[in-house]
Amino acid sequence: AQSVTQLDSHVSVSEGTPVLLRCNYSSSYSPSLFWYVQHPNKGLQLLLKYTSAATLVKGINGFEAEFKKSETSFHLTKPSAHMSDAAEYFCVVSGSGGYQKVTFGTGTKLQVIP
Amino acid sequence: DGGITQSPKYLFRKEGQNVTLSCEQNLNHDAMYWYRQDPGQGLRLIYYSQIVNDFQKGDIAEGYSVSREKKESFPLTVTSAQKNPTAFYLCASSTSSGVHNEQFFGPGTRLTVL
Repeated sequence: AQSVTQLDSHVSVSEGTPVLLRCNYSSSYSPSLFWYVQHPNKGLQLLLKYTSAATLVKGINGFEAEFKKSETSFHLTKPSAHMSDAAEYFCVVSGSGGYQKVTFGTGTKLQVIP
Repeated sequence: DGGITQSPKYLFRKEGQNVTLSCEQNLNHDAMYWYRQDPGQGLRLIYYSQIVNDFQKGDIAEGYSVSREKKESFPLTVTSAQKNPTAFYLCASSTSSGVHNEQFFGPGTRLTVL
């Protein structure tokens, strides 16, 4: 069984300040973990993914995430928020097995204040 | 340009009608997926297909049907048996259903039942 919990449904930051979006997971296997971003009424776009290589993963648009097995966390960070970062972010866990069982978190809406 | 297209972008349905949502990809991906997105619930898997002429039910398949006659196409029919079909529907594809493979998403179809 696997699950993913996004600890905040809404996060609000000022432009130019750091962003932290929190994600905890559980998985019976060695998981792959992903962060996706969704702008209003759009599809999801991959930001970054962890697949058991380096624990610090760098993605697009200055985002990065660190896989911490001991804490079962995969938090998404960015040093300085930009207005264009305002969107909804989804943490996703993928387990092993014949079919890629993918579980989505419920999403975190990021608001960036000018 | 390679990618996934969904049509229509907006769809209105009267109660009791079946409607079909289109999903086409030119990425040469084997696996395709349909998700339903409701506010605050993340994405839930309706159906997936790992190969042409084969598909499996996801977590919320009741009231939906699919076909996979061609590699590039995976249409979803929302039948009158679906009690609450108003939602945002997202189609995705991946190179295979392997655990490390990210999914690529289309722009979505917003279905409203009148």
